[in-house]
This record gives sequence, C-alpha cells and structure tokens, in this order.
Amino acid sequence: DTEVTQTPKHLVMGMTNKKSLKCEQHMGHRAMYWYKQKAKKPPELMFVYSYEKLSINESVPSRFSPECPNSSLLNLHLHALQPEDSALYLCASSQARLARYNEQFFGPGTRLTVL
Amino acid sequence: GQQLNQSPQSMFIQEGEDVSMNCTSSSIFNTWLWYKQDPGEGPVLLIALYKAGELTSNGRLTAQFGITRKDSFLNISASIPSDVGIYFCAGHTSGSRLTFGEGTQLTVNP
Repeated sequence: DTEVTQTPKHLVMGMTNKKSLKCEQHMGHRAMYWYKQKAKKPPELMFVYSYEKLSINESVPSRFSPECPNSSLLNLHLHALQPEDSALYLCASSQARLARYNEQFFGPGTRLTVL
Repeated sequence: GQQLNQSPQSMFIQEGEDVSMNCTSSSIFNTWLWYKQDPGEGPVLLIALYKAGELTSNGRLTAQFGITRKDSFLNISASIPSDVGIYFCAGHTSGSRLTFGEGTQLTVNP
C-alpha cells in the first residue's frame, strides 16, 4: 500500500466552526507533514511530525492545531479560521531516516473553503 | 533562505513534442525531487535524484542531478495529453524541509 489518504475531500466552514482534517498512511513511514497550498503555488510547509512528536511548526497561527494519535494517523484541527485560510491542505509522509526520507509522498488533499 | 528558480513558468506544446524544464539554485542540494500535480490533486513523486551527475529515467521522463549540485532538469519525451499539469522541482539539504520551485504549468494540445 503506497497511498496517503485524506478526508474529507472538500470542506466548507464558517469562521466560528470547529472542524478536523484527517490523514492516514500505511507505508510504515514515521515522518508526517501538513502543507498548505494556494492556487498555482508550491506547497508551503506547516508542521512536521517525526516519530509521533512535533518537530517543526513553521510559525503557524494557533487556529491550526495538529495532532498525531499514532504512527499512521495525522489530524489537523481547525478553529476560528479566516477566509484567507481557504486553500488546498496536503498531508505527506516519508521515512524518518536514511537517504530516502527525503522522498515525501502526498495525499490528494482537502479543499478547504472558509466563508 | 534557500530559493529554487524553476523555468519556464509555463509551456504550450503540441502532442508528440519533447519538453524540457529546469531548476537552478545558488545553494547546494543533496537531493532533487520532481513532482507532477494535476488540478485538485496532491503532487505525485515522479523521480528522486541523490547523486551529483545522476541521470534517471521513469518511462518517458528523464531527470538529471547537476554536477555542481545546484541544478536539475526534467525532460519529457513524446508528450501526450495526460502530461498536462504543474511540475514542481524540490531540493533537500538537511532536516525535514523541502524547498520547492514555483512550478512549470504544462499544456499539451492534441
């Protein structure tokens, strides 16, 4: 199984809502990532988990809260978002060591619209 | 910070033509990755390069890791309509961060 899955595919939420994005991988990868991507732009790194511990937070606003319940799952909890947070949110995973940990495999993304 | 200059920004070609795009940087990278992204989908890893001078093929795709470690190119031979999409290069030095190029939008006319 070489797939990263993400749910939901699409999400529309108001600025006062609380929602969560989910990501799952079964490749035995121990590093997982959240990216934000605006249209026709490259992905921007938000968070990195390595061995279920948060290792990188790219100064992301606290209205985004990541969680890694186990080595296969990654969540992104959303609360009080702004319209400018509307974007494609991508999850990725990779091995956590050795040369091939640079190969990040992306999920299909969640298209988030904040009204 | 590190930056990758990816060119061209966009390409419009006829089906059957060959395509070439490249990424350059003022910084040295240890790894070069090439991804393709279809509209509304996540990037798909096409080729990973780990050694300076390395030339790697994946079907009609060929990529090279520049000898100076500061550049990489991707060639697509005999393009077909499903090659349409945005192609991103990404470089890695250390840690968990990838540096992405701005992308090349490829359009293939049948």
